[in-house]
Amino acid sequence: AQSVTQPDIHITVSEGASLELRCNYSYGATPYLFWYVQSPGQGLQLLLKYFSGDTLVQGIKGFEAEFKRSQSSFNLRKPSVHWSDAAEYFCAVGPPRAGNMLTFGGGTRLMVKP
Amino acid sequence: DAGVIQSPRHEVTEMGQEVTLRCKPISGHDYLFWYRQTMMRGLELLIYFNNNVPIDDSGMPEDRFSAKMPNASFSTLKIQPSEPRDSAVYFCASSYDTQYFGPGTRLTVL
Repeated sequence: AQSVTQPDIHITVSEGASLELRCNYSYGATPYLFWYVQSPGQGLQLLLKYFSGDTLVQGIKGFEAEFKRSQSSFNLRKPSVHWSDAAEYFCAVGPPRAGNMLTFGGGTRLMVKP
Repeated sequence: DAGVIQSPRHEVTEMGQEVTLRCKPISGHDYLFWYRQTMMRGLELLIYFNNNVPIDDSGMPEDRFSAKMPNASFSTLKIQPSEPRDSAVYFCASSYDTQYFGPGTRLTVL
């Protein structure tokens, strides 16, 4: 069965500091991988996705993520966090031709200190 | 594209009343998903459709919940009768190869 683990429920970083949110997955084949962000009172917004090819993918708002097959990880990074990045972040995995039947992680809530 | 459209954005109703949530998916997408999000249980998949046909409704909590997709551009999620424990944010998402979410409907059942 597929699963996604986001080990950190809450993370607090200072504005301007770098950020890495962890995501580990269990999947029987080559997965499609996604990161979504949810600001308070909003829906989930797609940050980036990995289907194939270059394992370092760029997304919106200055985010990037790296797919590491050997570690079954797809960690999200940002070199310098802005106060507006405070939100909840969800990692998700699904089959190819997907976006169908995604399995979501439990989410990581990011707080940004001024 | 306008994205996934949901209505209403907020719904307050009394226990026992019927509630209908509406969703217009992105044109060209062939999958549609209904989710529920609560603090206690997080994001739960309720049901999903492919080409307007329900594929998996195993996440629907009970018979009080029903969903339809009469055509490629419209879906409804109905709760009848509603109960206070149904209070949550309900999201619709549509997909071809990537799920895009609507803004959600915040349902409060008093």
